[in-house]
Amino acid sequence: EADIYQTPRYLVIGTGKKITLECSQTMGHDKMYWYQQDPGMELHLIHYSYGVNSTEKGDLSSESTVSRIRTEHFPLTLESARPSHTSQYLCASRDFYEQYFGPGTRLTVT
Amino acid sequence: AQSVTQLGSHVSVSEGALVLLRCNYSSSVPPYLFWYVQYPNQGLQLLLKYTSAATLVKGINGFEAEFKKSETSFHLTKPSAHMSDAAEYFCAVSVNNDYKLSFGAGTTVTVRA
Repeated sequence: EADIYQTPRYLVIGTGKKITLECSQTMGHDKMYWYQQDPGMELHLIHYSYGVNSTEKGDLSSESTVSRIRTEHFPLTLESARPSHTSQYLCASRDFYEQYFGPGTRLTVT
Repeated sequence: AQSVTQLGSHVSVSEGALVLLRCNYSSSVPPYLFWYVQYPNQGLQLLLKYTSAATLVKGINGFEAEFKKSETSFHLTKPSAHMSDAAEYFCAVSVNNDYKLSFGAGTTVTVRA
């Protein structure tokens, strides 16, 4: 059973607000990931981290930023939310072969 | 770069019937291949993975998949569908076991009673 948590699960927020999506894992994994998923579409990698103080942009360009100050914590921040940011955001961490996914945060920007 | 194509965005099967979900990959080097399942309002759960060992891979919940290099395929099957199999299924590929997973667009499975 994977121990990876995301909060909030659902968020409805107005345009221009700053938001932080939280992701935590208790497995001690160094590698962590953020994916963006639109309905009926594949997951797109937007950020990843190889460990503390390591962050990289993924394949899909995103206006969000991430930080990795602690191994277990990998938050994603949007400084000014826009309707185009409406999507589901999935966090994952990885051991040697497998990526373990959190339940996701469904974000709606009005 | 690697990529994945899942044939059929929706599959409907009767309870007890065979489930077959198709996945073809593109990779210039030997791939690692994965099938994930996603239930409504949940994250992805790994069903099974191919990591260059046996070509027939058995996973959880009675699913299995066969790696066919000549066909660049990794189709997922289950002999007898159950109502609880209704979900979305994603095929994914990575190469050299690097950090990147490339996902297909997903196949939604519905199971008819």
